[in-house]
Amino acid sequence: DVVMTQTPPSLSVAIGQSVSISCKSSQSLVYSDGKTYLHWLLQSSGRSPKRLIYQVSNLDSGVPDRFSGTGSQKDFTLKISRVEAKDLGVYYCAQTTHFPWTFGGGTKLELK
Amino acid sequence: AVQLVESGGGLVQPKESLKISCAASGFTFSNAAMYWVRQAPGKGLEWVARIRTKPNNYATYYADSVKGRFTISRDDSKSMVYLQMDNLKTEDTAMYYCTAGGFGGWGQGVMVTVSS
Repeated sequence: DVVMTQTPPSLSVAIGQSVSISCKSSQSLVYSDGKTYLHWLLQSSGRSPKRLIYQVSNLDSGVPDRFSGTGSQKDFTLKISRVEAKDLGVYYCAQTTHFPWTFGGGTKLELK
Repeated sequence: AVQLVESGGGLVQPKESLKISCAASGFTFSNAAMYWVRQAPGKGLEWVARIRTKPNNYATYYADSVKGRFTISRDDSKSMVYLQMDNLKTEDTAMYYCTAGGFGGWGQGVMVTVSS
């Protein structure tokens, strides 16, 4: 199975700061069609997960451009600029390139 | 908008069975692969099962942890997806989410508790 390693496991941030979360996979996430199926999800407290970014860098509808995703092959980063209170929660990276699909362990974003 | 609504969760004893359901709307259900993902209390996300579409022969896939015990199915006429869970174990206790579109849409989840 593809192991997804997220760092750091938690982040304390002040409103208005920028943060980055790293996600590394144990195998390349490039699929046979040339696309990379690496996604970022946010789970706010007590809520269902919500996808923010799909295929590395594509923002889902309604997601502010303060969020950005970069990376390739096995190394990916989520950046949040000018953090707002509604951004708090647990961020997960997820891969749907290789079965079984797997998730990172999560990064908890908290207020400093 | 994609809407997914799970139902059927509850408390069962080990080795018992339970079937949970997911009602979908807001998209062309028959064209969409559907998935179940679970989250044990205080833990991360675990993909459980996937069912493809009719052109793909409704092919199914399972996580090793549930293979042989869980069965995913769908009814395109009702826009429903199901998860039949047999021989339940305490480690199956989790919130179960129905999801679609490469994790683009999620239900609110349904809690399944396996305990004696």
